[in-house]
This record gives sequence, C-alpha cells and structure tokens, in this order.
Amino acid sequence: DIQMTQSPSSVSASVGDRVTITCRASQAFGNWLAWYQQKPGKAPKLLIYAASSLQSGVPSRFSGSGSGTDFTLTISSLQPEDFATYYCQQANSFPLTFGGGTKVEIK
Amino acid sequence: QVQLQESGPGLVKPSETLSLTCTVSGDSIRSYYWSWIRQPPGKGLEWIGNIYYSGSTNETPSLKSRVTISVDTSKNQFSLRLNSVTAADTAVYYCARGSVYGMDAWGQGTTVTVSS
Repeated sequence: DIQMTQSPSSVSASVGDRVTITCRASQAFGNWLAWYQQKPGKAPKLLIYAASSLQSGVPSRFSGSGSGTDFTLTISSLQPEDFATYYCQQANSFPLTFGGGTKVEIK
Repeated sequence: QVQLQESGPGLVKPSETLSLTCTVSGDSIRSYYWSWIRQPPGKGLEWIGNIYYSGSTNETPSLKSRVTISVDTSKNQFSLRLNSVTAADTAVYYCARGSVYGMDAWGQGTTVTVSS
C-alpha cells in the first residue's frame, strides 16, 4: 500500500497569504495525485487531479506540482472561502489512500 | 450533471450489518468506477473500496474481510455492506465517482452510528 503523509497538519494564515501544503508518498509513483478541499459538514471537493491539473471551476489561485514521492498544493493568495481542510489522495493504485489532512485556519 | 445520493439506516447495532446504497443520476454507472469512503467524527478520510459496472471490486485491506460492494446496473446503483460492526465503524459514509483523475463527484454523505 502507498502511505500518504501530509504536512503540516494545520496552518494559521491570513487573507492574502501564500499557503503551501506538502504530501509525501511512501513509494514513488507517477503523477496520479489528487487534492481535495473539505469544509465542515460537506463532502470533499476535487481541486487538482494528475498532480497539477486544475479541476473545472476551481479558481486559478490553486495550483499543484510534483511527481514521484513529493507533491505540493499551493494557494497563491488565500481568500476567506479557502479556510477548510485539504487532503491529498493517490489515485495510482489500489488500495487508494488519503493523506491525513491539513486544516487551514484563520490567523 | 452527475449526482450521487446515499441511503440507508442511520443507526446500526453492534455486531450487525451496515447496509448503504448509492443512487447515481446524470451518468451511467457503466462509466468510471464507484467508491465508498468514510470519515469518523473529527477524523480524516478513509477509502473503503470500489466497484466497476462489471462487478469487479477492490477493498482496503483493513476492512476487506468485512466488506461487500455490489452493483445493480439496471437501477444505476451500487451498495455497501459492512458486517460485524463496532463503535469504530461510526462515521459519515460517502459514495463517489472515481478514476485516475481523482474522485470528481460525491454524495452528500450519510451518518451511520453504531450503538445499541
């Protein structure tokens, strides 16, 4: 199984800040890595697929990069609606696995 | 636009079987694969397993012995059965549409509590 480790587990930031979340895989795979945003009481929402492709309708301030074992989600200028929990997920092989999540909180 | 809706009992007794159904509208269940994911209170996401329209399945190893996922293509539905439940199985259960491009459509989630 591919284990996914996210860091940090939480981050405090202000509106307008640049925020970076990392996800490390226990073994290398291609770029079948997805990022999700989840708000309280809601289902996760797909933001990024194939490590760096923006899902339709997602603002361009979100971007993803990486391959192999190290992946990054960047929010270039944090907006009030971006305060949420973010998860990475490897879609390369079964069993599918998620990272532990990163909570982005208001500073 | 694809929509997914979970249905099933919100309360299950310990040692009994949890049964949920996901109804898919706006897309054929013959495309993509279809997953179950759960989230215990205050915790992260756990993928349970998935199914293709052919009936082929994959499950997470920790739950494999207790999980059955099935599909009914005539109703555009897929289902989850989890037997011998304990309090640790209390969670919000989601169904989702997936591929190598991630899970791009999710149900709203249904809360299942295991309690006597």
